[in-house]
Amino acid sequence: NAGVTQTPKFQVLKTGQSMTLQCAQDMNHEYMSWYRQDPGMGLRLIHYSVGAGITDQGEVPNGYNVSRSTTEDFPLRLLSAAPSQTSVYFCASSYSHNSPLHFGNGTRLTVT
Amino acid sequence: AQRVTQPEKLLSVFKGAPVELKCNYSYSGSPELFWYVQYSRQRLQLLLRHISRESIKGFTADLNKGETSFHLKKPFAQEEDSAMYYCALSGFGNQFYFGTGTSLTVIP
Repeated sequence: NAGVTQTPKFQVLKTGQSMTLQCAQDMNHEYMSWYRQDPGMGLRLIHYSVGAGITDQGEVPNGYNVSRSTTEDFPLRLLSAAPSQTSVYFCASSYSHNSPLHFGNGTRLTVT
Repeated sequence: AQRVTQPEKLLSVFKGAPVELKCNYSYSGSPELFWYVQYSRQRLQLLLRHISRESIKGFTADLNKGETSFHLKKPFAQEEDSAMYYCALSGFGNQFYFGTGTSLTVIP
């Protein structure tokens, strides 16, 4: 049981490039979510999903897309990276929306 | 609007001293409240939730609805408690809201 797995661990992008951050969980959790962690800002919700085929926006969704084609996977796409998206990104999953979250190890993204 | 406030960004205490990490929330309903911890080079993990009313690693947290607070307490801090602590709220709307975090340093 690997829990929540995020890849890559580190990534450097140039402004305007696109990329996908991968997130997978093997706990059959319905709820999955993406956060960004910035100094002094805590964790802010980007997008979340309450089940396969269902996604919704969080607090800071602009510049990011998500999809949930399977229960296990919840990738986060940056369509055109900007320096303001330099951050540490965390994926999390839980049994339901108010159950404790299980976090991945995070992806440290730098946009130059 | 849902909000979680952690007023202390940094907190230092000596080993063996009591520690209290403050958390206040604003929420028009009955929230679920959590404390998460991130030790150095480890992933965020659940420390405790108010509904469980349990003590984890000597930490407790009491939900005070009158003061809308959920402060985290430990009577005798240990060096291994040094970490980043986040208070979080889950309520209607399938969303978690996190505070800005408090970095706790326990001085030997």
